[in-house]
Amino acid sequence: AVRMTQSPSTFSASTGDRVSITCRASQGVSSYLAWYQQKPGKAPKRLIYAASTLEGGVPSRFSGSGSGTDFTLTISCLQSEDFASYYCQQYGNYPYTFGQGTRLEMK
Amino acid sequence: QVQLQESGPGLVKPSETLSLTCTVSGGSITSYNYYWNWIRQSPEKGLEWIGYINYSDGTYFNPSFKSRVTISVDTSSHQCSLRLRSVTSADTGIYYCAKGARGTPGNFDVWGQGTMVTVSS
Repeated sequence: AVRMTQSPSTFSASTGDRVSITCRASQGVSSYLAWYQQKPGKAPKRLIYAASTLEGGVPSRFSGSGSGTDFTLTISCLQSEDFASYYCQQYGNYPYTFGQGTRLEMK
Repeated sequence: QVQLQESGPGLVKPSETLSLTCTVSGGSITSYNYYWNWIRQSPEKGLEWIGYINYSDGTYFNPSFKSRVTISVDTSSHQCSLRLRSVTSADTGIYYCAKGARGTPGNFDVWGQGTMVTVSS
C-alpha cells in the first residue's frame, strides 16, 4: 500500500498566518491526491482534489500543489474557522490511503 | 445534491458481524457514475478505506478487510450496506460512507455524518 506521511503532526499558529502542510507518498500517485478538513465530531470535508483543484465553495485562501510524491496544502491567511485537522489522501493506487493527519491549533 | 446517512447498532460483540447501512438521497444508488465507499476512522489507525461498490462494476476491497467484508446495494430502500465479520476490539471506530465518481472512485466528494461502533462484550 502507498504510505502517506504528513508533516507536521501538530502545528500552532495564529489568525492571519500563512501555513503549509506537506504530504509525501511512498510511491508516485500522479495528481490523484485530495485534502480534507475535519472538525471535531464531524465528517471530513473535501477541500482540494486532483492535487490543486479547489472544491466549490471553499475559500480561495486554501491552495494545493505538487504531483508524484510530494504535495503541499497552503492556507494563505489563517482564519479562526480553519483551526481543525487536515488529511491528505491518495486515490491513484489501490488501496486508497490517508495521511495520519495534521492538527492545526491556535497559538 | 447527494446526501448520505449511516445507521446501525452502536455496540457489537467480539466475533460477531458488524452490519451498517448508508441511505442515499438526492441521487440514484444504481447510477453507473457513482461509487459508494466505506471508510473507518479510529485513534489507533486513523482513516482507513474499507472498499466500494458500483451498481454496474461491482465491488473492490482493501486487502486488509477483504476476507471479512461484504458490501451490497439494496435498490428498493436506496441503501448501501456494509457487513464486517468476526469483529474484534480493533474494529471499534467511526464508520463513514462516502461517494466517489467514475474515473476516480476513491475521490470522496460527499460523506455521511458517520456512525460510531464499539466492539465489546
